[in-house]
Amino acid sequence: DVKVTQSSRYLVKRTGEKVFLECVQDMDHENMFWYRQDPGLGLRLIYFSYDVKMKEKGDIPEGYSVSREKKERFSLILESASTNQTSMYLCASSREQRGYEQYFGPGTRLTVT
Amino acid sequence: EDQVTQSPEALRLQEGESSSLNCSYTVSGLRGLFWYRQDPGKGPEFLFTLYSAGEEKEKERLKATLTKKESFLHITAPKPEDSATYLCAVRPNFGNEKLTFGTGTRLTIIP
Repeated sequence: DVKVTQSSRYLVKRTGEKVFLECVQDMDHENMFWYRQDPGLGLRLIYFSYDVKMKEKGDIPEGYSVSREKKERFSLILESASTNQTSMYLCASSREQRGYEQYFGPGTRLTVT
Repeated sequence: EDQVTQSPEALRLQEGESSSLNCSYTVSGLRGLFWYRQDPGKGPEFLFTLYSAGEEKEKERLKATLTKKESFLHITAPKPEDSATYLCAVRPNFGNEKLTFGTGTRLTIIP
């Protein structure tokens, strides 16, 4: 079974703090993704990576950065957390193939106060 | 711009009462349409991929079908454990690697 793990289930941070969210997948997938999910807005892509050290912006990259130094690990960084970044953050991974289904981690519920 | 619209937003059914969820999409050439199940506070769980019109996939009480403009997720004789939010997403043939998701249908099965 594909397994995607995220470093925290729940996180509370203060405005202005630097926040790191970590994601690890164990299936040797090439692609990894970070989404945020908000009520009424669905899943929105923040960044994705199709190879080590490669990244592309998604729909809402402002206020975020990412790092992928190893194939199995993809980090999302909030340089200076703000209250409007309070959300559920979901990591996903996939193999580059025609099916292209993405497998998701359990999510991190981030609250910025 | 790719778009996915799911209906209804919420659906309450009695246990055993069959129904269908709809996913309408607009995409510049479809590479794949995906269905996911999401339980509260958890990440989406992959269910099906459909590639072309006329294709069908089944898993237990769920069957997904695809036309050129929409997909249906049919649920037959549902049980309370089928209660969840069901998400639909599309991947176009062209462009970057991202999926476009709908906002989901929240399904509640009443015992």
